[in-house]
Amino acid sequence: GAVVSQHPSRVICKSGTSVKIECRSLDFQATTMFWYRQFPKQSLMLMATSNEGSKATYEQGVEKDKFLINHASLTLSTLTVTSAHPEDSSFYICSARDPGYNSPLHFGNGTRLTVT
Amino acid sequence: DQQVKQNSPSLSVQEGRISILNCDYTNSMFDYFLWYKKYPAEGPTFLISISSIKDKNEDGRFTVFLNKSAKHLSLHIVPSQPGDSAVYFCAASAGGSGGSNYKLTFGKGTLLTVNP
Repeated sequence: GAVVSQHPSRVICKSGTSVKIECRSLDFQATTMFWYRQFPKQSLMLMATSNEGSKATYEQGVEKDKFLINHASLTLSTLTVTSAHPEDSSFYICSARDPGYNSPLHFGNGTRLTVT
Repeated sequence: DQQVKQNSPSLSVQEGRISILNCDYTNSMFDYFLWYKKYPAEGPTFLISISSIKDKNEDGRFTVFLNKSAKHLSLHIVPSQPGDSAVYFCAASAGGSGGSNYKLTFGKGTLLTVNP
């Protein structure tokens, strides 16, 4: 079945530094990938839709200059948290959909970001 | 305003019995619904989905029921097994199961504990 790989699974960084998270579709080509964020005991909140070869579409309230998304190929999207602050600490999850009809969204295993 | 609501944060069930997880939605444009299962520090795993043209979909031990007039859906797991213990997320989409508009809105999740 479809597999989405996310790396790293856990990262700790200092305030002011940038962190890059990778999301790969392993056995299908994903023209669209989605980035979610989850706070403890909360639902997954869509941050942005990553489109291969074009600019990402950000949800309301998400700073595009802070959360840089690059979808340079059909199997890779990256999320860079720039100038990270402690309030950016969260669980970030990417997802992608096999373009076949009736195919569900598949999620990576997430990245736990801790900013100290 | 939460468009997808899972009002029970937790549910405890005895092994072998039925687990019923509930989900309500407010957006009448939603036409595709999914259930995901999530273990700690992992991404959600797709379980089962249902289109608004149906009122029931079954896959092994998992059955999803949709009541459009009540804007309510439920996931039945029978018989419940200890390995089913996880957080279950209800999700909805207004873009159907196909097409490029596939943004999912998630509920906050219900923690299911199946006791041996």
